[in-house]
Amino acid sequence: DQQVKQNSPSLSVQEGRISILNCDYTNSMFDYFLWYKKYPAEGPTFLISISSIKDKNEDGRFTVFLNKSAKHLSLHIVPSQPGDSAVYFCAAKVTSARQLTFGSGTQLTVLP
Amino acid sequence: EADIYQTPRYLVIGTGKKITLECSQTMGHDKMYWYQQDPGMELHLIHYSYGVNSTEKGDLSSESTVSRIRTEHFPLTLESARPSHTSQYLCASSAPGTTMGYTFGSGTRLTVV
Repeated sequence: DQQVKQNSPSLSVQEGRISILNCDYTNSMFDYFLWYKKYPAEGPTFLISISSIKDKNEDGRFTVFLNKSAKHLSLHIVPSQPGDSAVYFCAAKVTSARQLTFGSGTQLTVLP
Repeated sequence: EADIYQTPRYLVIGTGKKITLECSQTMGHDKMYWYQQDPGMELHLIHYSYGVNSTEKGDLSSESTVSRIRTEHFPLTLESARPSHTSQYLCASSAPGTTMGYTFGSGTRLTVV
């Protein structure tokens, strides 16, 4: 049973436009959410996170939105740049749990 | 510079061979993890450790084993590699109370032929 779902395996966006990556979760106990970025042949790197007590967190061009009632979060990248092309993983955690639960990733391609 | 290192980056090996994937971190983190990832799939936890001499299996069943004799070192061993072990193996570590989740190594891409 996949508790964190990224239903779009790929997304293409024009440079300068907004990229919106989506993530749904089923476990209502999750109270912390993270986004990671992964380039080919490298490990995931942390991008941005949000606690369940917030509905928005912003860091430069990256904003994460959390809708707890819908069990949905999204990552907005504005403006998108070619260097943003990578696989983006959504992850969730119950604070007391031992591990992060990851989605299957979305390949973002930003076209110049 | 504090970081987490995995070797080798790529490994092609024959069926039946014993292999050890190395993972070391210089950040003094107590918690370390091994994840397995196939292309287009989610990362699955296969092993984790809370500290020296503490190891447990993750949610995804794996024939690999791990050891944690030193804080900085968390190697993964496959006694007899099989083609079904072909995958990417990612090592990670974390510090208590961090909001950044895990710090990942660059991974080992294992191919068993």
